[in-house]
Amino acid sequence: AQKVTQAQTEISVVEKEDVTLDCVYETRDTTYYLFWYKQPPSGELVFLIRRNSFDEQNEISGRYSWNFQKSTSSFNFTITASQVVDSAVYFCALSENSNYQLIWGAGTKLIIKP
Amino acid sequence: DAGVIQSPRHEVTEMGQEVTLRCKPISGHDYLFWYRQTMMRGLELLIYFNNNVPIDDSGMPEDRFSAKMPNASFSTLKIQPSEPRDSAVYFCASSPSGDSGNTIYFGEGSWLTVV
Repeated sequence: AQKVTQAQTEISVVEKEDVTLDCVYETRDTTYYLFWYKQPPSGELVFLIRRNSFDEQNEISGRYSWNFQKSTSSFNFTITASQVVDSAVYFCALSENSNYQLIWGAGTKLIIKP
Repeated sequence: DAGVIQSPRHEVTEMGQEVTLRCKPISGHDYLFWYRQTMMRGLELLIYFNNNVPIDDSGMPEDRFSAKMPNASFSTLKIQPSEPRDSAVYFCASSPSGDSGNTIYFGEGSWLTVV
């Protein structure tokens, strides 16, 4: 069965610290897609990244980086030099090749303290 | 480029009243989704459309909920009659056609409170 686990319910760090949000997934499909979304306190859901199962290259976008490892079924998200504006709930999600249903993790609430 | 546009952003209504939520997807996107988010259940897919045709409505909680997509640029989610347990954030989202890996883009949500 498909499943996405974000074991960290809440993380609190001081500004400028690096922080990693974990995401572990389960799927039987060989073709699948992984996503990260950000939900700031204002409530909207903001797309951050999409990764397909055939591309294990790590991705860096500014202070954000993603580490995709099929061997451990993980797709972790690191914020370097965190800022208060990074405070949000971050969701990891999985989409299998067969349908458009996104399987969501429970989300990790990230609090960045000034 | 305009994103997914939802209205109203906030709605407070009395139990028993009809609620209509509206959505304009991103132009050119063939898929439209309605999601509901609550603290208890997280994000739930209610229904999705492809080229204005409902494909999967298995997430619609009950007959009080209905969704329509009369054309490629407009969709509604209606709750009649509304109940307090329907209080939630309702997101509309859209995605371009292609394989299921295409990214789903969300609107800002409609915050519904039923009292």
